[in-house]
Amino acid sequence: NAGVMQNPRHLVRRRGQEARLRCSPMKGHSHVYWYRQLPEEGLKFMVYLQKENIIDESGMPKERFSAEFPKEGPSILRIQQVVRGDSAAYFCASSPPGTRGYEQYFGPGTRLTVT
Amino acid sequence: GENVEQHPSTLSVQEGDSAVIKCTYSDSASNYFPWYKQELGKRPQLIIDIRSNVGEKKDQRIAVTLNKTAKHFSLHITETQPEDSAVYFCAASRPTGNQFYFGTGTSLTVIP
Repeated sequence: NAGVMQNPRHLVRRRGQEARLRCSPMKGHSHVYWYRQLPEEGLKFMVYLQKENIIDESGMPKERFSAEFPKEGPSILRIQQVVRGDSAAYFCASSPPGTRGYEQYFGPGTRLTVT
Repeated sequence: GENVEQHPSTLSVQEGDSAVIKCTYSDSASNYFPWYKQELGKRPQLIIDIRSNVGEKKDQRIAVTLNKTAKHFSLHITETQPEDSAVYFCAASRPTGNQFYFGTGTSLTVIP
C-alpha cells in the first residue's frame, strides 16, 4: 500500500507564474488536508477536502490560492501569481473515512521556491 | 481558535539519556493529540498519539502523557539514540474539526 504521494517534489517558479501541486492520498483514504510549512516553523493548516467537496478552507489565503479534489485523480493545490512569500514546503495528508480526521498520514511534500 | 505552544525549541541530550518535550493547548474541547517526527527534508511521521480519554500511552521507548485539567501534554523518549535526532511536532485537534493545530517544533539532537 503506497503512502501519500505528492508531485512535484521541488518546484521553482518566477514571480507571477502559477504553481500546481498534486497530492494522491493513500489507497482507501477519502479525506485530504493541505498544510504549509515555512522555514523553521510548524505546519499551518490550509484546507480540508473530501471527494468533490471543500469541507474547511479556513486556513487558505483569500486570494490566489485554490484547492480541489475531483472525483477522479489527485487533489490539486493551485497558487496563482506566486510571490516570494509563497516559498515554503507544502504537505498534504490523508486519513481514512470514519476516523474524523485522526491519524493523518503525510506525503513527502512539495518544496516551492519563488524566484 | 486553538493555540498550541511547544517547548523547548531545541534540545540536546547525551545518547542513553531521556528527552522530554512539552506542549500546551488553549481549547479545552481538543481531544486528540498526535506527535510527529520530521527528519531533515522528509515528511512528518506519526510516532504516537493520545486521546483525551486516557492520561498516558506508551510504545517501547516513547510515551506521551496528557493532563486535561492543565491542558498540557508531553512526549518522553527514553534511552535516546542518535537516530532519534529530528524535529518533533506536537499537535491538537478538536472533535468538531479535522485540522491539526501544530506546535512550532523541537529540534532534538542526540549526541553519541
